Amino acid sequence: NAGVMQNPRHLVRRRGQEARLRCSPMKGHSHVYWYRQLPEEGLKFMVYLQKENIIDESGMPKERFSAEFPKEGPSILRIQQVVRGDSAAYFCASSPVALKTDTQYFGPGTRLTVL
Amino acid sequence: QQPVQSPQAVILREGEDAVINCSSSKALYSVHWYRQKHGEAPVFLMILLKGGEQKGHEKISASFNEKKQQSSLYLTASQLSYSGTYFCGTESGDYKLSFGAGTTVTVRA
Repeated sequence: NAGVMQNPRHLVRRRGQEARLRCSPMKGHSHVYWYRQLPEEGLKFMVYLQKENIIDESGMPKERFSAEFPKEGPSILRIQQVVRGDSAAYFCASSPVALKTDTQYFGPGTRLTVL
Repeated sequence: QQPVQSPQAVILREGEDAVINCSSSKALYSVHWYRQKHGEAPVFLMILLKGGEQKGHEKISASFNEKKQQSSLYLTASQLSYSGTYFCGTESGDYKLSFGAGTTVTVRA
């Protein structure tokens, strides 16, 4: 059973470009979460999605950031007009049910570097 | 609000024990523990649910005091592979995890 997949693993962008990060949840998991982690810091919640729905985006900056989880295909975290402060590791996690009764499993992350 | 973890860091010799604490100011439905090694993804260790149920790694033990909104992770007879940063994630009925700043554990031979 394959785990959570993320690609690319490393992404380099120049300021002003767009970054697209992809996440394929574990088989049978319909809940997806995105987190951002700065070096030597903890994980910060960004957004929680179920298929075709954004459930909670309270941790996501209101400008430049968007996320989707379409009926078919991976979840996408999109960052427009990237700035140096966007450099971080972005982790996706998935769970089979809501988090009250089960946990979430993390993907390997995408390390975004903005030059 | 993110939970508070203590200590920030601990250094152990192989075979020694340690306790990592996680405290929240909010009522908790569940606590989730992860270990992350440098440059890698967090790996699930244990989930503790309101009501006493636990699921997780057979060699790791933890406790959850619902009234005090606290959890502790117990590292017993530590091995070199236990080194890493341990995070607690708390869930307060809003279906998402808030993570502490982490506790860095270094186990030396």
